[in-house]
Amino acid sequence: DGGITQSPKYLFRKEGQNVTLSCEQNLNHDAMYWYRQDPGQGLRLIYYSQIVNDFQKGDIAEGYSVSREKKESFPLTVTSAQKNPTAFYLCASNPRGRAGELFFGEGSRLTVL
Amino acid sequence: GIQVEQSPPDLILQEGANSTLRCNFSDSVNNLQWFHQNPWGQLINLFYIPSGTKQNGRLSATTVATERYSLLYISSSQTTDSGVYFCAVEGWGGYQKVTFGIGTKLQVIP
Repeated sequence: DGGITQSPKYLFRKEGQNVTLSCEQNLNHDAMYWYRQDPGQGLRLIYYSQIVNDFQKGDIAEGYSVSREKKESFPLTVTSAQKNPTAFYLCASNPRGRAGELFFGEGSRLTVL
Repeated sequence: GIQVEQSPPDLILQEGANSTLRCNFSDSVNNLQWFHQNPWGQLINLFYIPSGTKQNGRLSATTVATERYSLLYISSSQTTDSGVYFCAVEGWGGYQKVTFGIGTKLQVIP
């Protein structure tokens, strides 16, 4: 079945370590997104990419980095510069021509010890 | 940017009851979606509804774009309806990011 796969689902990290969250989609969607969710809050946009080899900062990009070398893949690196990295991270994509119709993966929960 | 307000913030229902969730937005929008976030965190698409009315089983949604609000109706609620319901909107004009409300947390009790 088509969908968006995020891994790992749960991740623990020590302070000062970088960690990379994987996001893969087989929906043939052009655009992909990373969102962060904190308890009791809505979703905030970290980065987005509308085409391969291009990506843009969202509202809270500081301390994060991304790459888009393949259409199917949009990994997110949480660097040691991110001051409050403990959160739930959600990857999304949308089909061409339906810019506001987002489809989400199951999420990755990152805890910094 | 566009502001999105959802109400009520919390809702407790007896199983079988009906409910209406509201989403107000501060400017005209190109797109609007309703999502259900289940207890495991996954966001499930419910409706893609920039205007008009749609129904899917016990759920239906209406967006009145000219008055800048959308309503999500849940009828004959079930315990599996529990979770958080989010409204998300996209503005007009080139690429516009999607803005989420902070959600309505619904608990359906047996």
